[in-house]
Amino acid sequence: QSVLTQPPSASGTPGQRVTISCSGSRSNIGSNPVHWYQQLPGMAPKLLIYTDSERPSGVPDRFSGSKSGTSAALAISGLQSEDEADYYCSAWDDSLNGKVFGTGTKVTVL
Amino acid sequence: QVQLQQWGAGLLRPSETLSLTCAVYGGSFSGYYWSWIRQPPGKGLEWIGENHHSGRTNYNPSLKSRVIIAIDTSTNQFSLKVRSVTAADTAVYYCARGYGDYSTRFDPWGQGTLVTVSS
Repeated sequence: QSVLTQPPSASGTPGQRVTISCSGSRSNIGSNPVHWYQQLPGMAPKLLIYTDSERPSGVPDRFSGSKSGTSAALAISGLQSEDEADYYCSAWDDSLNGKVFGTGTKVTVL
Repeated sequence: QVQLQQWGAGLLRPSETLSLTCAVYGGSFSGYYWSWIRQPPGKGLEWIGENHHSGRTNYNPSLKSRVIIAIDTSTNQFSLKVRSVTAADTAVYYCARGYGDYSTRFDPWGQGTLVTVSS
């Protein structure tokens, strides 16, 4: 079991805004940058957000990241069918002395 | 545009050694942390470890005793070996370029290799 907890699922209709939470502790999110990944079905994960809220080149600005205290969040605004995927948060954990991923959230577009 | 291409044996018997290789195309090999991450079928991601181009390595404490990650700067390739595998090591293994000792920023990723451990 991961030290970064995400809801197992989230859903919305096209055009809606969906938010995914990532709950951690002072030893991970509370003191280190958070990064987010999108994993389309059958594909390798892809970096979606880095260092809490930065978007790599090519990632639509519909995707945004935020962090407050020991929790982080990924928001998808203007949800599209191609956003249907699994999403993972990640961070370094000072107590575990290792790199950890969240439990993952499956986003469904209704 | 950096691309990673990986390969290796996909079916192992218990107690054998898992061996995968990842080639880096189109970018600098130096300055990055060349990493391996795995994903058991239907489950989440687990960081295995990394090797900086200088030769410094970091491993997941839970796997450290069985894992070696090596780099070959002459061919821009890096490799993963996991000894004494069991069914619990069955997973899709990904190689990736990492950005720091304490960073979980990985970009890009290889295409993944399914490794099945079965007698």
